[in-house]
Amino acid sequence: AQKVTQTQTSISVVEKTTVTMDCVYETRDSSYFLFWYKQTASGEIVFLIRQDSYKKENATVGHYSLNFQKPKSSIGLIITATQIEDSAVYFCAMREVGASGSWQLIFGSGTQLTVMP
Amino acid sequence: AQTIHQWPVAEIKAVGSPLSLGCTIKGKSSPNLYWYWQATGGTLQQLFYSITVGQVESVVQLNLSASRPKDDQFILSTEKLLLSHSGFYLCAWSLEGLGASAETLYFGSGTRLTVL
Repeated sequence: AQKVTQTQTSISVVEKTTVTMDCVYETRDSSYFLFWYKQTASGEIVFLIRQDSYKKENATVGHYSLNFQKPKSSIGLIITATQIEDSAVYFCAMREVGASGSWQLIFGSGTQLTVMP
Repeated sequence: AQTIHQWPVAEIKAVGSPLSLGCTIKGKSSPNLYWYWQATGGTLQQLFYSITVGQVESVVQLNLSASRPKDDQFILSTEKLLLSHSGFYLCAWSLEGLGASAETLYFGSGTRLTVL
């Protein structure tokens, strides 16, 4: 079955440090897309960064970067120079093509990040 | 710039009562539209998906239905609410095709539903 697994339920870090959040996925698709989203305390879901499976370079956007290890089916999110406002729940997600040809975005269970002063 | 508006922001409803939630996207023509549901403290579960007016595909129904009456509007509804319908409902949009932003989902601010 195609799924996305985030084993870290919560992480606490001191601000200005670097944090890595793990995510592993299972898929039968030869081409797929991986995403990271952030959910703030208000519930807002914000798109952060994506990795297309056919690209070998790790994606980077601002202080977010990805550690894409295709042979391990792993897509880690790295946040450098963390700030208090980075505190949120982070979701990993993968595009899946359903049996009918339509596609879904499958989400992991999320990792709660707390950045402390 | 594109905007996505969901209504209402929050609802408190009785078991067995009807429900209608809405979503409007401005600034993009013919987007793909989605409904997601999130239980408190849980992950996001895709419910429905629409690529064009009048066409909706169900992923997980949960005794809900969806319709797309206009290109920019997506409606989620049920005639009889259950306690299990409580949660956070999110509408999202994406674009098909090529380009760096294609196929990325962008979410609305959501509707919090409490069923008593």
